[in-house]
Amino acid sequence: EDQVTQSPEALRLQEGESSSLNCSYTVSGLRGLFWYRQDPGKGPEFLFTLYSAGEEKEKERLKATLTKKESFLHITAPKPEDSATYLCAVRETGANNLFFGTGTRLTVIP
Amino acid sequence: SAVISQKPSRDICQRGTSLTIQCQVDSQVTMMFWYRQQPGQSLTLIATANQGSEATYESGFVIDKFPISRPNLTFSTLTVSNMSPEDSSIYLCSVEEGSNQPQHFGDGTRLSIL
Repeated sequence: EDQVTQSPEALRLQEGESSSLNCSYTVSGLRGLFWYRQDPGKGPEFLFTLYSAGEEKEKERLKATLTKKESFLHITAPKPEDSATYLCAVRETGANNLFFGTGTRLTVIP
Repeated sequence: SAVISQKPSRDICQRGTSLTIQCQVDSQVTMMFWYRQQPGQSLTLIATANQGSEATYESGFVIDKFPISRPNLTFSTLTVSNMSPEDSSIYLCSVEEGSNQPQHFGDGTRLSIL
């Protein structure tokens, strides 16, 4: 069965303290891996799509990387406004739906 | 990306009643989806809303409980029928604008059943 596991469940960082979030996945064939940010009371906001191992995407302080078994979301010098829940989702070959992990709740302290 | 509006944003309902949630998109999209996000849990796909045909439901979700309509390429509704406290959740609509493109989400409907 397809599985998406995110770690850690929660992460507290001081402002400027860089770190990484992990998303491990098990699918028979990966069609795409997606990172989202979700703020309280809001729907998930799309950040990145990664399609193949070795691919990297960057946006401001965020960088997403992909291997054959996992993806990392690197956060460089985070700011309090980066506080949110970060969700990872995978789309299997031949499917349209997404399987979501339970997310990492990030808190950045000023 | 498409702008997605959901109504209502929240509601408190009595058990045994039904509620219809609306999802409106500002552009025509092929794929529309309905998800449930229970407290502290991940998003779970309920069904894919197909334009002009019946929705495709995931395992554990049935049409009698969650009837879905998709009358055109910009609008869909999800009804939560005969509600019980276990149906208290956030219900989210999402759209996909092209093949293997990311899904974009509305802000959800927060539903509480008393």
